Amino acid sequence: AQRVTQPEKLLSVFKGAPVELKCNYSYSGSPELFWYVQYSRQRLQLLLRHISRESIKGFTADLNKGETSFHLKKPFAQEEDSAMYYCALNYRGSTLGRLYFGRGTQLTVWP
Amino acid sequence: DTGVSQNPRHKITKRGQNVTFRCDPISEHNRLYWYRQTLGQGPEFLTYFQNEAQLEKSRLLSDRFSAERPKGSFSTLEIQRTEQGDSAMYLCASSLYTEAFFGQGTRLTVV
Repeated sequence: AQRVTQPEKLLSVFKGAPVELKCNYSYSGSPELFWYVQYSRQRLQLLLRHISRESIKGFTADLNKGETSFHLKKPFAQEEDSAMYYCALNYRGSTLGRLYFGRGTQLTVWP
Repeated sequence: DTGVSQNPRHKITKRGQNVTFRCDPISEHNRLYWYRQTLGQGPEFLTYFQNEAQLEKSRLLSDRFSAERPKGSFSTLEIQRTEQGDSAMYLCASSLYTEAFFGQGTRLTVV
């Protein structure tokens, strides 16, 4: 069975501090990993995906197959980064696009 | 707003009543998904349509739940004989490939 684990339900950092949101997955095949973000009173939206290898809003995430992890990192957190972050997994090569989500991490960035 | 639209945004119903939610996806998207999200959890997959065909259903989708997507456009999710455990946020998403775009959800409260 596929599973996405986000061990931290809540994470607080001060503005300017580095932040890392952890995501581990269990899947024996080749996964496609995503980070979705939900700002207050807004809809869930895609932040980034591992195949793009891009940096969005200063966030990066690297897929580590050895550790089965896809941690989200930002070197200098900003107050506007405060939001709920969900890690999600899809079968690589699947045409279905069904996503398996972790339970989410609520990030709070203090001024 | 040309994104995914869901109606109603909130629904309060008495236990045992039937409810129906509507989702209007992004117009060119052929894939449509329904997810359910309860407090403290990430979204859980319910069902998936490609055009008008319902291709996958989760075991979470009991026989009281039915979803349709006539003509491959909008979709409806009906819950019959609602139970208190059905109280949740029901999310709709649409996609063209594997990036899913979410609606703002319908929050169902069963009293």
